[in-house]
Amino acid sequence: DTEVTQTPKHLVMGMTNKKSLKCEQHMGHRAMYWYKQKAKKPPELMFVYSYEKLSINESVPSRFSPECPNSSLLNLHLHALQPEDSALYLCASSQGPLRAQGEKLFFGSGTQLSVL
Amino acid sequence: DAKTTQPPSMDCAEGRAANLPCNHSTISGNEYVYWYRQIHSQGPQYIIHGLKNNETNEMASLIITEDRKSSTLILPHATLRDTAVYYCIVRVAWGGSQGNLIFGKGTKLSVKP
Repeated sequence: DTEVTQTPKHLVMGMTNKKSLKCEQHMGHRAMYWYKQKAKKPPELMFVYSYEKLSINESVPSRFSPECPNSSLLNLHLHALQPEDSALYLCASSQGPLRAQGEKLFFGSGTQLSVL
Repeated sequence: DAKTTQPPSMDCAEGRAANLPCNHSTISGNEYVYWYRQIHSQGPQYIIHGLKNNETNEMASLIITEDRKSSTLILPHATLRDTAVYYCIVRVAWGGSQGNLIFGKGTKLSVKP
């Protein structure tokens, strides 16, 4: 199994809603990532979890709250989002932290989020 | 800021080789060159990486110049399914930093029948 599975594939939410994005991998990877991608732009790194601990937060607003309950799961909790937060949210995993030569990321297909 | 420069778009005829250039003139000795691609509505996909030597795998070949300031990704027989945005990324392979994957703007490759 070399898949990273993201659910839901599409999500529409209001600015007062609370929702969560889910990401799952069963490759035994110990590093997981959230990226945000606006239309026609490259992906931007948001968070990195390494061995289930948050190792990098790229100055992401607190209305985005990541959680790594175990080594296979990564969640992104959303609260009080703004319309400009509408984007494709991509989850990725790697066998270990990206310090080793040859370490590569495996990406899911993303959740397309629309904030109304 | 991204450390690479790529042309915004390129066309290639189906069945011909696609050669995608990338400039990384400020690359350091401990930085690798990685290539990923993103087909529409999908997540990015790893293609290949290298340090100094040319590399080949089942998807593509990577040619790195001797001074390491530029590289070329070669898709030997492009198909319509190779239409995608191709990202060239340099990142630290060793050391204390995470060496995270930071995407530049990429090249939109269109393979035409």
